[in-house]
Amino acid sequence: DSGVTQTPKHLITATGQRVTLRCSPRSGDLSVYWYQQSLDQGLQFLIQYYNGEERAKGNILERFSAQQFPDLHSELNLSSLELGDSALYFCASSTHFQGGQTQYFGPGTRLLVL
Amino acid sequence: EDQVTQSPEALRLQEGESSSLNCSYTVSGLRGLFWYRQDPGKGPEFLFTLYSAGEEKEKERLKATLTKKESFLHITAPKPEDSATYLCAGYFSGSARQLTFGSGTQLTVLP
Repeated sequence: DSGVTQTPKHLITATGQRVTLRCSPRSGDLSVYWYQQSLDQGLQFLIQYYNGEERAKGNILERFSAQQFPDLHSELNLSSLELGDSALYFCASSTHFQGGQTQYFGPGTRLLVL
Repeated sequence: EDQVTQSPEALRLQEGESSSLNCSYTVSGLRGLFWYRQDPGKGPEFLFTLYSAGEEKEKERLKATLTKKESFLHITAPKPEDSATYLCAGYFSGSARQLTFGSGTQLTVLP
């Protein structure tokens, strides 16, 4: 158990809908990262937040957005969902924002768009 | 573009048959090399971080090493419970400044 929690574990929705994924980092970690893992793309970095501020952006679509709240939990919002958005979404956390910090991953949210 | 390449894509071993997994990376600007284990449908589990060439780390039957061009994950006398996908990731200085993951090696250890 990494100490990172994610909810829900599974999510089934329809194309065009909007969903919100939630992540709570390990106790004491200020930085949160979101990743998408699909069969054909592997693990892809989406976005990083540190202490409430966006720090880095990866291959995140404009239909996706995220935020980190004062209690440090983070939410990833996915809108206008398409079939291709079906994937595992992972949250990870680390102590600081500097690159090279070990990231600890949560159990993931499996999203299925029908 | 920073790249991390893992080989082989899949590896089947008999229980007790030692082997190595390879992770090669873009030479310039590596600041850290990470190994993770991932079971199907689960989140990656952190194994090791290596920062400089020549560095080695061990945990049970696993040993990770780093050279100037690649990293190896040596598995000694593996057991069926070692079956998983092993991911390596690099942190590079430069524009990305985030972990770049390889596509993984799917290891199956047969009893």
